[in-house]
Formats: sequence, structure tokens, C-alpha cells
Amino acid sequence: EAAVTQSPRSKVAVTGGKVTLSCHQTNNHDYMYWYRQDTGHGLRLIHYSYVADSTEKGDIPDGYKASRPSQENFSLILELASLSQTAVYFCASSEPGASAETLYFGSGTRLTVL
Amino acid sequence: GDSVTQTEGPVTVSESESLIINCTYSATSIAYPNLFWYVRYPGEGLQLLLKVITAGQKGSSRGFEATYNKETTSFHLQKASVQESDSAVYYCALDDTNAYKVIFGKGTHLHVLP
Repeated sequence: EAAVTQSPRSKVAVTGGKVTLSCHQTNNHDYMYWYRQDTGHGLRLIHYSYVADSTEKGDIPDGYKASRPSQENFSLILELASLSQTAVYFCASSEPGASAETLYFGSGTRLTVL
Repeated sequence: GDSVTQTEGPVTVSESESLIINCTYSATSIAYPNLFWYVRYPGEGLQLLLKVITAGQKGSSRGFEATYNKETTSFHLQKASVQESDSAVYYCALDDTNAYKVIFGKGTHLHVLP
């Protein structure tokens, strides 16, 4: 079965440290996304990518970088983690072309920045 | 911009009772967006529950139903008789046919008591 796998499942980081969240998909999908969810907010799009070696800014890209080295892998990088980046992060993939593309999500990474 | 507003949780109901989670949307970038309900079970990622792409149509899955009402710009989720296994977080969402522009509601946490 097609899947999106995120690692780690949870992480505690120190303020100012570097954090890398990883995502791997076996869906053979072209599009991949990083969202974050905070209490009281819906999922908000950070970065997305529609092809390997290319990334695009979403709605809240500040403080984050993304990397798409291959179709299967998509990373989210926090170069200088801050308290405000404490959240749950979701990776997702989709295949454009069909009407109403379905997003396929990983199980999330809970990041706590202290 | 586009937005989705849904019932604020948590919502607590007893098993076999009926359920409605309200969802209304505002779409400025497209007249008739695609509408979705996603569900997140404990410890898992979001998964598609149902979607409707045509105004006036109804979607259904796992006993849940939602009707796309363009007059009231609503897409309420209903179930006649909930089960304890329905306990989860439910997200209403819309897109403008480009998946990278999916807008999510804040999510409604449903607790079903045995």
C-alpha cells in the first residue's frame, strides 16, 4: 500500500539549533508538501514541491527551508529553531491531473523547541 | 482569501447518537471549490474521509455524509449513529483544483463515549 513516512515521530530541540524533519513517500507522486498544525489553527502550508530538486514557498515559509533531492524524499529544515516553531508537522503527497487531488499524509512529527 | 470555518471542539457524544459537525466556507479564488472531509485517528496521519466536487451532490463514506450546498456555502458532516471508533479529529477543507492551495479548517475533536 502506498505510504508517506515521516521521521522522527517526535523531537525535542533547543532554541537556535538545527532541526531536519524527513519525509519519504512510496506513492510515486510528483507533489509533496509540508504543513504545520498549531492548537487553534488549521493545517498551514510551509513549503511544497512538484518535482525533484525544486521547492516552492507555501503560505508560511519564514524560518524554514525545504529540500527535495528525489521524487521520494522531501525534508524540512529549521536552521535556527525557535520557540514559535513548536508544533506538529505533517508531510503529504498528491498526484496532480485528476480532479480534486487527494492528499496522502504521514503520521506527523511532534516538534518541541525549548 | 479562502477560508473554512468548522464546529469548535471538542464535541462529545454517546455511542449510537447522531452527529453533525458544521462546516462553512468562503472561496474568493474560485466559484465552486472542491470540498473535502479528512479524519485523523489517534496516532495516525490525516486521511481522506470523503470529497465532493459538484455543487448539490452528496458524498458518503463509513456511514458519514456531507452535501455540497453552494447557496449556504456549507458542507456539514453528519452521521446517524456514531461508534466509539469514530473518535478522531475531523477537518473540513477546500481546494481550488490546485492541491497546493488546499485550505483546512481548524479541526473538530470528536469523543464518542461507550
